[in-house]
Amino acid sequence: NAGVTQTPKFQVLKTGQSMTLQCAQDMNHEYMSWYRQDPGMGLRLIHYSVGAGITDQGEVPNGYNVSRSTTEDFPLRLLSAAPSQTSVYFCASSSFLTTNEKLFFGSGTQLSVL
Amino acid sequence: AQSVTQLDSHVSVSEGTPVLLRCNYSSSYSPSLFWYVQHPNKGLQLLLKYTSAATLVKGINGFEAEFKKSETSFHLTKPSAHMSDAAEYFCVVSATPGNTGKLIFGQGTTLQVKP
Repeated sequence: NAGVTQTPKFQVLKTGQSMTLQCAQDMNHEYMSWYRQDPGMGLRLIHYSVGAGITDQGEVPNGYNVSRSTTEDFPLRLLSAAPSQTSVYFCASSSFLTTNEKLFFGSGTQLSVL
Repeated sequence: AQSVTQLDSHVSVSEGTPVLLRCNYSSSYSPSLFWYVQHPNKGLQLLLKYTSAATLVKGINGFEAEFKKSETSFHLTKPSAHMSDAAEYFCVVSATPGNTGKLIFGQGTTLQVKP
């Protein structure tokens, strides 16, 4: 049972480079989201999606783009990486069909921007 | 606006002694509250959830939390700490009413368990 799969696990970028963090879930969840985790700040919501074709901004969306063309995939794009985007990124998903609001998290992507 | 404050950034206990991780919340409506745990180099796992049913919520691995509206608190407890409990713990509140999946995380509390 794969759950939520994030790739890559580690990435080093130079300032100004672009890249895409991949996230896929195999649970047919409607809701998917991206968080960044920084020391002493908990997790902060970047973008989220309530279904294919629908995305919206979270708390810290600047510098990131998302799209949701399928239920399974929710990639996060950094168009021009900045050192301030050095962080650990988590993708999460959940189902609206449950009353549990339980988020399933991926194992994270550690990104360093030099 | 919704918010959570974890009152301790670091808690250290001895194995076999009780654990108390403190969390206060602010909410303009009846909130859903959660505790998540993150073991080193792992993703987050749901420990327990409060959704306006019983105020004392039991979770996995012997943890429980009590919702106290008068004190706007949702503290996490465990009677006897185990070495495997060493991890980062996050108190979380729902950002909006209903099941939207949008959550607001506290800053985290690192639990150290000494032998």
